[in-house]
Amino acid sequence: SQTIHQWPATLVQPVGSPLSLECTVEGTSNPNLYWYRQAAGRGLQLLFYSVGIGQISSEVPQNLSASRPQDRQFILSSKKLLLSDSGFYLCAWTLEGAVGGYTFGSGTRLTVV
Amino acid sequence: AQSVTQPDIHITVSEGASLELRCNYSYGATPYLFWYVQSPGQGLQLLLKYFSGDTLVQGIKGFEAEFKRSQSSFNLRKPSVHWSDAAEYFCAVGSINYGQNFVFGPGTRLSVLP
Repeated sequence: SQTIHQWPATLVQPVGSPLSLECTVEGTSNPNLYWYRQAAGRGLQLLFYSVGIGQISSEVPQNLSASRPQDRQFILSSKKLLLSDSGFYLCAWTLEGAVGGYTFGSGTRLTVV
Repeated sequence: AQSVTQPDIHITVSEGASLELRCNYSYGATPYLFWYVQSPGQGLQLLLKYFSGDTLVQGIKGFEAEFKRSQSSFNLRKPSVHWSDAAEYFCAVGSINYGQNFVFGPGTRLSVLP
């Protein structure tokens, strides 16, 4: 069966420090991958999505970036974190056509201090 | 543009009472419709989905939803709420005509009174 792993679960980072969040999917091939952010008490904001290795689309301009070095690996990065980057980050995957819906990871709680 | 609205930001019901969470969408193509639930500090879990066919769909945890094309709605219902149903609920719309990117509603927070 397919599973999605996301880590770390929680992270506290100082302003100006780098960031790397990782997401991996098992049990499927060529998934579409997504990074979402939830600010406190807010809905889901799509940050990046990828339909294949090296193919990244950005939905919102920001100081974050994403990479997909392998088929089932999706990384969210920042060179210098801002206070406004705090939030709950969710990785998700779906297959082409998305008829099965998204499957979400368990999320990373990022606090920038 | 595609959009999803969930008119109720927060709903409080008593345990054992019935529940209906509203979802309305604006979409230019035949939609796929989903309901997700999110417990505090957790990821989103798929409750149910609609693609075609019977407009009343059954999901996990005793939830059901009804697609009404004429009203552009996909309301989520449960006949008897349990305390463990307290969570955030998100409606989402997708369409193969618009690729794989869903549009999520803002969410409805459900509180359950003992």
